[in-house]
Amino acid sequence: GAGVSQSPSNKVTEKGKDVELRCDPISGHTALYWYRQSLGQGLEFLIYFQGNSAPDKSGLPSDRFSAERTGGSVSTLTIQRTQQEDSAVYLCASSLQGSAYEQYFGPGTRLTVT
Amino acid sequence: KQEVTQIPAALSVPEGENLVLNCSFTDSAIYNLQWFRQDPGKGLTSLLLIQSSQREQTSGRLNASLDKSSGRSTLYIAASQPGDSATYLCAVSHNFNKFYFGSGTKLNVKP
Repeated sequence: GAGVSQSPSNKVTEKGKDVELRCDPISGHTALYWYRQSLGQGLEFLIYFQGNSAPDKSGLPSDRFSAERTGGSVSTLTIQRTQQEDSAVYLCASSLQGSAYEQYFGPGTRLTVT
Repeated sequence: KQEVTQIPAALSVPEGENLVLNCSFTDSAIYNLQWFRQDPGKGLTSLLLIQSSQREQTSGRLNASLDKSSGRSTLYIAASQPGDSATYLCAVSHNFNKFYFGSGTKLNVKP
């Protein structure tokens, strides 16, 4: 079946603009994760959705970052008033049900803030 | 807070050699541990998932072991091939939610 998809694959934006990144998880997966990977670094957890439960937002670096998941499927990560330090690859992953199951990753969105 | 460390940060070996990648974590109360590979410019591909009650998992030339009490996992790659060149990441999870990732080991297998 189809894997996790993300769009756009690349996004270049000017400092101060808002951006929206989209993630389509694997059908039937109830858990969805967003991570950020800066150049040469490991993955930084941002936010986790599990079914209809309140999301775990503990990794969001500032209130400029927000995410929503509509209908338990597609998720959108929004970054307001982008800063140069927001430049990174944003990765989305889904799993069948939480961290008891394997995570499957999308190809990522490379965000460049100029 | 859980901290995951991977040593070495980079490794270069000749083709055919067997090798071991290391992952250590500070909080042993994990739910499971997962190994991934990441090719340049790509997302992560899951290799092996070890539940906390398991000692090891095998897939083809890969074998991952877990020693929860000492906070360590190893990924053994047998008969390495140039196609194995990638960055290998380990991640641990707690309480049925998020994963904590190491910064990875960049492997180069020379033909």
